[in-house]
Amino acid sequence: GAGVSQSPSNKVTEKGKDVELRCDPISGHTALYWYRQRLGQGLEFLIYFQGNSAPDKSGLPSDRFSAERTGESVSTLTIQRTQQEDSAVYLCASSVELANTIYFGEGSWLTVV
Amino acid sequence: AQKVTQAQTEISVVEKEDVTLDCVYETRDTTYYLFWYKQPPSGELVFLIRRNSFDEQNEISGRYSWNFQKSTSSFNFTITASQVVDSAVYFCALSEAGSQGNLIFGKGTKLSVKP
Repeated sequence: GAGVSQSPSNKVTEKGKDVELRCDPISGHTALYWYRQRLGQGLEFLIYFQGNSAPDKSGLPSDRFSAERTGESVSTLTIQRTQQEDSAVYLCASSVELANTIYFGEGSWLTVV
Repeated sequence: AQKVTQAQTEISVVEKEDVTLDCVYETRDTTYYLFWYKQPPSGELVFLIRRNSFDEQNEISGRYSWNFQKSTSSFNFTITASQVVDSAVYFCALSEAGSQGNLIFGKGTKLSVKP
């Protein structure tokens, strides 16, 4: 499809396990973002990648969170030793370049039990 | 510090009414960008508008209009003749030139349009 693609769409995991969430941005978009949305809340910025520049990790809530991006394509958000407070929708987005229009994927619903 | 405030948590209107969603922002930057997104019950965020700080012209797109006023740091969104399909959570967001990848979102306004 032409939009931002995320997988899995839903993930239930046990507390303490690691999870990986994948994002495939819109082709040609150099900027990629990860946000988190807890139930009934607004969006929290986690990290963004812009081309080959060092990513802005300032929003990552703890060192259990990390993200990688291969070139200008797929990104993976990894949460290690998951906690119940990590339960949220993790939204990926991309744009042609920074400060341009940002398009969001449908999100990955993570539930930690 | 940057901040976006959407003081209206929930609004309920009857179809065909006009409704305005408020957004007030705080930033120290002179160059910044403002956005509105719609999040319907399906969950996907839908881009509605992006406005840069140097363009204070109001914009109209069909039943949607936006009023950007730097003097009051507001970027309000009006839906004219609301429809049931407008029911969603609407988010206002701010991006500063110095950290363009970091959108600061308001907490959203849940709009319910009843038939």
